Amino acid sequence: GENVEQHPSTLSVQEGDSAVIKCTYSDSASNYFPWYKQELGKGPQLIIDIRSNVGEKKDQRIAVTLNKTAKHFSLHITETQPEDSAVYFCAASEGNNRLAFGKGNQVVVIP
Amino acid sequence: NAGVMQNPRHLVRRRGQEARLRCSPMKGHSHVYWYRQLPEEGLKFMVYLQKENIIDESGMPKERFSAEFPKEGPSILRIQQVVRGDSAAYFCASSPGQGPIEQYFGPGTRLTVT
Repeated sequence: GENVEQHPSTLSVQEGDSAVIKCTYSDSASNYFPWYKQELGKGPQLIIDIRSNVGEKKDQRIAVTLNKTAKHFSLHITETQPEDSAVYFCAASEGNNRLAFGKGNQVVVIP
Repeated sequence: NAGVMQNPRHLVRRRGQEARLRCSPMKGHSHVYWYRQLPEEGLKFMVYLQKENIIDESGMPKERFSAEFPKEGPSILRIQQVVRGDSAAYFCASSPGQGPIEQYFGPGTRLTVT
């Protein structure tokens, strides 16, 4: 099955700086890669996603890049704000219906 | 447009009791997924259902766990004879169609087995 790994496990950044989270996946058949933000005590919130026929996608301060050859994708958050502090999960599609998740990255934005 | 709804939000059960977790998908969504999250872990797929059909239950333990999504009403994840190892957060997600597609998650049910 699909194996998704995230690095680093914890990331601290100064407010206003950029944060980058990287994920790798193992199954070359995966073709859909969403990112979720989870705040304490809440469910995961879909923030951006990308499909395998696209190399990059941007939505305001958030962008995702995909390198199919190397089987890795990254989340970029620019101009970080305190409300960006959360756990971020990457995922990759597995088969036609499932998502395989990484273990998550704790992002801490220091005011 | 209400999001995915789950209840109860918190559930405490003694070992050996049954737990029933409910999930109402987003309006217009007929595809439901259940995931389990252990502390400081990612989400693990359990089961995928459409109305009245279990499509993929390969992530669900063979014993004590069952799921349904009836024609009317919410999807239910049922855990019989709970054990301490069942303590986790259980999340439901829904999507508007089949295939690798956006899944929207509910707030989860946090199950504690004492």
